[in-house]
Parts: sequence; structure tokens; C-alpha cells
Amino acid sequence: NAGVTQTPKFRILKIGQSMTLQCTQDMNHNYMYWYRQDPGMGLKLIYYSVGAGITDKGEVPNGYNVSRSTTEDFPLRLELAAPSQTSVYFCASSNRGLAGLETQYFGPGTRLLVL
Amino acid sequence: GEDVEQSLFLSVREGDSSVINCTYTDSSSTYLYWYKQEPGAGLQLLTYIFSNMDMKQDQRLTVLLNKKDKHLSLRIADTQTGDSAIYFCAESKAGYGGSQGNLIFGKGTKLSVKP
Repeated sequence: NAGVTQTPKFRILKIGQSMTLQCTQDMNHNYMYWYRQDPGMGLKLIYYSVGAGITDKGEVPNGYNVSRSTTEDFPLRLELAAPSQTSVYFCASSNRGLAGLETQYFGPGTRLLVL
Repeated sequence: GEDVEQSLFLSVREGDSSVINCTYTDSSSTYLYWYKQEPGAGLQLLTYIFSNMDMKQDQRLTVLLNKKDKHLSLRIADTQTGDSAIYFCAESKAGYGGSQGNLIFGKGTKLSVKP
């Protein structure tokens, strides 16, 4: 099992450009998440999905879009990059057990710099 | 206030014990977790504790839970330089987490281990 894979590892964008951050998991997990991590700020949830075809907004969804056409893939789209989107982006997946036990598996992250 | 709070930094000497503390606000949380993030990597689950337990031990790791005070701690015995990382406390709820997600993370405690 590769677990959760993310591409690219690092990207520099100019203001106004668009890009898609890819995320794939091979554990057949229903839940998938996109977080951003800013220094000293912990993780903020951008979007999440509870299964193929179902997505919903997290705490900080503005400027992003997602889709979940398959169980495995959960791409994150930035349409008009802004400097405030400079961050490290993590994708995670999980299944939820009885009584709420949830182990999230994280990808290695994508570092994005918007100039 | 924040759902999950942690101090941001901890520095210890190699061989000493490290204690990382966390407070949470939701008494309905069913599981509490400790995740570890090594430099340049995603988060990895270190250990978790069910809310009806007071203590859980796993090799060098001891988790203590004080439900009355909503206080969680992680003790690392015989701390090694390889333990240098950011440690995140997280809580999950029996119900669905909504826009904050199923896991609510603290901001992370950066542990530095000096030789």
C-alpha cells in the first residue's frame, strides 16, 4: 500500500494562476480531507468528503474547490492564486470506526508559494 | 476560545522525560489522539486514548487523561534526538464533526531535544 500520495511536492505560482493539487489513497477509505498548515497555526480544514460524489466545506474553503468522482481521488483546485494561499497543503483519508475512533492517514504535503 | 490548546514549544535534554500538555473543551469527545509530525512530512498517528480511560502506556509513551479538567498529556520517557518533531493533540466526537472536521487539532507543540 502506498497510503496517501500527493503531487506535486512543491510549486511556485504567480498571482492569478490556477492549479490542481492531486491526492490519491489506496486504502479504500470513505473520508478524505484537505488541510492547510500555516506556521504556528496548526491545521485548518479546507474541504472534506464522506464518499464519492459528496463534498462539503471546511473552515477555510474560500478560494478553493474540490471534487470526488472516485473513492481514491480527491483533487483540490485553486482557481485564482493569491499570496494568502501560500501554505503547506495536506491531504488525509480515514474510515470511522464505532464510537468515533478515527485514524487519519496523511500524505507528505504540497508546499505552495504564491508570488 | 480554541477547542484544543497546547503550548507551542518544549525543549529537553536527551535522556530526560518530555511531557507535552493539551487541554480540550468538548466533554463529549470520545477519543483523544496524539499525532507526530517530523520535518517536511505529514502527520502520523502516535497513540490515542478512549475517553473512559485514565492512562495508556505504549513502550516509551504514556498518555494521561484527566476528564474532569479536560487535560491530556503525553509523556515520552528517555527522550532521543529522533523524537524532535511537532506533536499535535486532537479530539474526535461521537457525532459528525461538521465544518471543523471529525478531528479537531491543536496548534502543535514543537519538541526540541538537545544532545
